[in-house]
Amino acid sequence: ETGVTQSPTHLIKTRGQQVTLRCSSQSGHNTVSWYQQALGQGPQFIFQYYREEENGRGNFPPRFSGLQFPNYSSELNVNALELDDSALYLCASSTGDPSSYEQYFGPGTRLTVT
Amino acid sequence: DAKTTQPNSMESNEEEPVHLPCNHSTISGTDYIHWYRQLPSQGPEYVIHGLTSNVNNRMASLAIAEDRKSSTLILHRATLRDAAVYYCILRTWGGGADGLTFGKGTHLIIQP
Repeated sequence: ETGVTQSPTHLIKTRGQQVTLRCSSQSGHNTVSWYQQALGQGPQFIFQYYREEENGRGNFPPRFSGLQFPNYSSELNVNALELDDSALYLCASSTGDPSSYEQYFGPGTRLTVT
Repeated sequence: DAKTTQPNSMESNEEEPVHLPCNHSTISGTDYIHWYRQLPSQGPEYVIHGLTSNVNNRMASLAIAEDRKSSTLILHRATLRDAAVYYCILRTWGGGADGLTFGKGTHLIIQP
């Protein structure tokens, strides 16, 4: 069973640029959630995709957007990068079954905005 | 959202039991109590969850107070590998689209 994978591992961007982060969900999982984790803080929920549709969103501006593909992999796009966007971005997959609460997290992508 | 309160850090010795407390005085009847942990340089991993009754699995035990306003994660025999940040999270049944609400968690330090 393949776990959740994310790419790239690290990324450095300049303020104002755009970035795309990628996530492959665990086999059999149709739901992907994205989180942002600033240094020393717990992860903050960005949004969730279920069967290629966004079905939940945290308190993040529209410049944070995403996609989910038919194979349930996902992308997180961030436009007009700001210095405060520097963080660890985590992807988590799950089955989408409301009785199944376990989310499986990937190792994250470390984004640095200069 | 119902919130949880955890100590910032705790320290324990290897091979001893560890009791990690969590207060959630505003918990509602449909909130499940979840615990995740995050090892250094890794994403969080699920540990255990429960509703009213105490729960056991291969990783840990979860003891839930009778009034459900507090809970305790129990690691029966801590190892160095258990050094991590432990998060106590409330999640409403069927509220999967809301994501997990992480606080700052408890940083558990294990001394050899």
